[in-house]
Amino acid sequence: NAGVTQTPKFQVLKTGQSMTLQCAQDMNHEYMSWYRQDPGMGLRLIHYSVGAGITDQGEVPNGYNVSRSTTEDFPLRLLSAAPSQTSVYFCASSRPDRGLIYGYTFGSGTRLTVV
Amino acid sequence: AQSVTQPDIHITVSEGASLELRCNYSYGATPYLFWYVQSPGQGLQLLLKYFSGDTLVQGIKGFEAEFKRSQSSFNLRKPSVHWSDAAEYFCAVNQAGTALIFGKGTTLSVSS
Repeated sequence: NAGVTQTPKFQVLKTGQSMTLQCAQDMNHEYMSWYRQDPGMGLRLIHYSVGAGITDQGEVPNGYNVSRSTTEDFPLRLLSAAPSQTSVYFCASSRPDRGLIYGYTFGSGTRLTVV
Repeated sequence: AQSVTQPDIHITVSEGASLELRCNYSYGATPYLFWYVQSPGQGLQLLLKYFSGDTLVQGIKGFEAEFKRSQSSFNLRKPSVHWSDAAEYFCAVNQAGTALIFGKGTTLSVSS
């Protein structure tokens, strides 16, 4: 199993550009979520999904869009990048019946810089 | 709303000394609590978790944590710290079984 795969690992964007951070899991996990990590702020929840076609906002959703058309994929879209979105982004997944027992599986992260 | 507070931003401990990292949570129902560790430039590794049962939870690398409902706390402990334990530690609570809410983290430095 590959687990949770995030692409790209690094990205530099110009202010106003758009891009999609990819997240894919091959564990048939129903729950998926996106976090951003900033120094001194810990990890903050951006959006999450409990299954295909169902998404909801987390703590810091502004400036980000998500969709969940398949169980495997949960892309995060930045429609118009801003320097404040410079961060490290993590995707995670879990199963409803096991997420509490085995924790969450995290991807290795995407380091995004907006100039 | 759920929240997690880690009161200590940075802690320095001598190698071989004991360690306690504090975590307080705010959650209306029975919490599901986690501790993660992150070494510089690395991803997150699960140390331990609590969701029911015995309030003293054993994890990997010699860590343990105790859930105290009366104090809304889930403090992480280790009896003897090794230099390799230097990292950032995050406490997290499960949001209604779907996603995690994290504290801001505690950076642990280990002095020789």
